[in-house]
Amino acid sequence: KAGVTQTPRYLIKTRGQQVTLSCSPISGHRSVSWYQQTPGQGLQFLFEYFSETQRNKGNFPGRFSGRQFSNSRSEMNVSTLELGDSALYLCASSLEGNYEQYFGPGTRLTVT
Amino acid sequence: KQEVTQIPAALSVPEGENLVLNCSFTDSAIYNLQWFRQDPGKGLTSLLLIQSSQREQTSGRLNASLDKSSGRSTLYIAASQPGDSATYLCAVCHTNAGKSTFGDGTTLTVKP
Repeated sequence: KAGVTQTPRYLIKTRGQQVTLSCSPISGHRSVSWYQQTPGQGLQFLFEYFSETQRNKGNFPGRFSGRQFSNSRSEMNVSTLELGDSALYLCASSLEGNYEQYFGPGTRLTVT
Repeated sequence: KQEVTQIPAALSVPEGENLVLNCSFTDSAIYNLQWFRQDPGKGLTSLLLIQSSQREQTSGRLNASLDKSSGRSTLYIAASQPGDSATYLCAVCHTNAGKSTFGDGTTLTVKP
């Protein structure tokens, strides 16, 4: 069974631009969660989608948004990028009921 | 608000030693606890998942225990090898959803 995939793997953007990251979960997993990882803050929860609905949200500004499609694939968008948004963005998928999270390789975003 | 602490932050041991990594959490009303391994610049690899009703889980040389009442989990690694060198993260899920709170991790170095 294929694992969680994330695209692109690396991105370089300029301050003020926007970016869209994509995550394809393991087949059959309907829960998709997004996390931001930085050296200073560690791993922080962004949001979780389940059956195309945002079910949980972390403490991030409204510039961070996401969505989930009917095939469970998810995207997250960051608008008006700031230098502090430079991070590894990780996506995880899990099965309803057990919620063992399986992570993708991440997207490394650098904002210059 | 759930807080997760991992001690020690870093650990260096000679090959062959048995070792214990610690994780503590402030809210004992958890759904599950998961241990991960992360290699530099990579995503997270799930090692062990302990559901709230369980006391321990084992996989090969790894054993994880959970004591909800005291808010603690330990990851025991037997006969450590240089390939075990990585950062180990503990994550607590406190609702039946894909939302976890992570500790800052323990960076393990196993010297040949």
